[in-house]
Amino acid sequence: DGGITQSPKYLFRKEGQNVTLSCEQNLNHDAMYWYRQDPGQGLRLIYYSQIVNDFQKGDIAEGYSVSREKKESFPLTVTSAQKNPTAFYLCASSVGDYNEQFFGPGTRLTVL
Amino acid sequence: AQSVTQLDSQVPVFEEAPVELRCNYSSSVSVYLFWYVQYPNQGLQLLLKYLSGSTLVESINGFEAEFNKSQTSFHLRKPSVHISDTAEYFCAVSDPRGGKLIFGQGTELSVKP
Repeated sequence: DGGITQSPKYLFRKEGQNVTLSCEQNLNHDAMYWYRQDPGQGLRLIYYSQIVNDFQKGDIAEGYSVSREKKESFPLTVTSAQKNPTAFYLCASSVGDYNEQFFGPGTRLTVL
Repeated sequence: AQSVTQLDSQVPVFEEAPVELRCNYSSSVSVYLFWYVQYPNQGLQLLLKYLSGSTLVESINGFEAEFNKSQTSFHLRKPSVHISDTAEYFCAVSDPRGGKLIFGQGTELSVKP
């Protein structure tokens, strides 16, 4: 089955630790995205990548980093510089001009 | 810059009643429009989309949306809702030049028996 996988579903970390969220897609999509979702705030774009080895900051990139070494993978690192990292993180991918995005199941990160 | 406004943050409705979730957008260029649905603790699923052609688009589970260019709206409707339609609904607009989707803040639809 084609789709987007995010792992793990739930993640707990201690304050001050970096943590990496995984996102893999086998849809052969060129573009990939990371969003953060907080209650009542909709989706906010963290980073996106339209091609391998290239990525752009979204609206709330501070405290996050990404890499895009392979077409199918777009991991997100939440660094200790992120002031309030507890949130639901969603990964998505798209292909073509319409920007129709396909979403993974999400990772809920809780920082203790 | 493009923006999307979902006019209601919460919409409570009784089962089998009709519902309308409102979405307005601002854009100076041609746009593509989407409605996504999110069930608790899950990712977003595409519900329906307007790319071109007929301004009325339908989903397989009875939702429909109408693109109104003069009013810059893309409201989502269903004539009779079910308990299973309880979810959060997001309207989004695509900027063909920017490679991104712009999302509204979401509307929480709560269907009560």
